[in-house]
Amino acid sequence: GAGVSQTPSNKVTEKGKYVELRCDPISGHTALYWYRQSLGQGPEFLIYFQGTGAADDSGLPNDRFFAVRPEGSVSTLKIQRTERGDSAVYLCASSPGTSGGSDTQYFGPGTRLTVL
Amino acid sequence: QKEVEQDPGPLSVPEGAIVSLNCTYSNSAFQYFMWYRQYSRKGPELLMYTYSSGNKEDGRFTAQVDKSSKYISLFIRDSQPSDSATYLCATLPGGTSYGKLTFGQGTILTVHP
Repeated sequence: GAGVSQTPSNKVTEKGKYVELRCDPISGHTALYWYRQSLGQGPEFLIYFQGTGAADDSGLPNDRFFAVRPEGSVSTLKIQRTERGDSAVYLCASSPGTSGGSDTQYFGPGTRLTVL
Repeated sequence: QKEVEQDPGPLSVPEGAIVSLNCTYSNSAFQYFMWYRQYSRKGPELLMYTYSSGNKEDGRFTAQVDKSSKYISLFIRDSQPSDSATYLCATLPGGTSYGKLTFGQGTILTVHP
């Protein structure tokens, strides 16, 4: 069956540009998460959606980062005025949303963002 | 200090060896403990999931949690070259209504034939 997909797989941009990263969760999963994984580090939580609403955005590093999930399925992570420090792999995960924190999260392959 | 600490390795072992991977954590509120495996250029995939203290076994994999010492372990028996990957421990507080995972930095494991 189809897992979580993310596009693009790689994105190279210049400092100061705007980027959008897309996540297609597993069909029927109501919970969606974004994480950021820097080189040699574990993933760090960015934001959690339950349905269409961002229930916890405490991990977003600053106001240049924003995410939406308008119809409760696909989500887009948006980064304005990119900086070299934003270079990382951005991971999306989804879960059924039926068992709270104990739900298994299924991760996508990530988008590798490089800011030159 | 990070809430979850993990020795990044790298760790290199011969095929058939027993592998021990470890994490420590500082937050007493953590009640759920997971191990993820991440192959190169792939997303993490869940290997083991444990609630509170104790052992859990699944095939060649055993997860141990010792809450008194805040120590998490993953043992891999009869390791195979296909086990070569980065292993990430992750935790969640108890009573949480969603999965805001806190990860260790990952241990890179290579199993050579």
